[in-house]
Amino acid sequence: SQQGEEDPQALSIQEGENATMNCSYKTSINNLQWYRQNSGRGLVHLILIRSNEREKHSGRLRVTLDTSKKSSSLLITASRAADTASYFCATDGADSNYQLIWGAGTKLIIKP
Amino acid sequence: DADVTQTPRNRITKTGKRIMLECSQTKGHDRMYWYRQDPGLGLRLIYYSFDVKDINKGEISDGYSVSRQAQAKFSLSLESAIPNQTALYFCATSYLNEQFFGPGTRLTVL
Repeated sequence: SQQGEEDPQALSIQEGENATMNCSYKTSINNLQWYRQNSGRGLVHLILIRSNEREKHSGRLRVTLDTSKKSSSLLITASRAADTASYFCATDGADSNYQLIWGAGTKLIIKP
Repeated sequence: DADVTQTPRNRITKTGKRIMLECSQTKGHDRMYWYRQDPGLGLRLIYYSFDVKDINKGEISDGYSVSRQAQAKFSLSLESAIPNQTALYFCATSYLNEQFFGPGTRLTVL
């Protein structure tokens, strides 16, 4: 079963604008990760945030985690055409035995 | 060279055929996974292995089997393929909490 749900399902913005994607999950987690998938290719790890962290940055990426609301957001600032991809959140629950539970993803399109 | 490789990259087969998808890794990781991805959906776990002697069923293992031939090799088999197994299949390894994906195998069952 899918634990994470991304919102929106699709997002189209102009190059240079900021993109925000949200992820909600159902059970307690150890950490939450964000991955990017370029069309039809393998997923690439972007960032991991632990359950005791509230915010994390990596380059143009900012991730927040609100465990009370069981939600996370991924912000991409100053978007570029190369950011066009699908973005997935994945959670590692306390009883997951290192399995990740994946959301359905947000498809991001950056218009030039 | 890619750290996680999958063969074949594309395969078209007929209902009832036996198919094997292969995965090799040079990352030296013990944990390996097989996922399938359907359009508009996230990844669903088929099988995972924590070492050569430890293989576990995932969420959707029915109709699939696996073999962990060595630390570096993890194969997925469809004993008798059916059309609803048409999907994109990914192999992955993991270290600590991060997963590393192969390029995928696009399988079509007619």
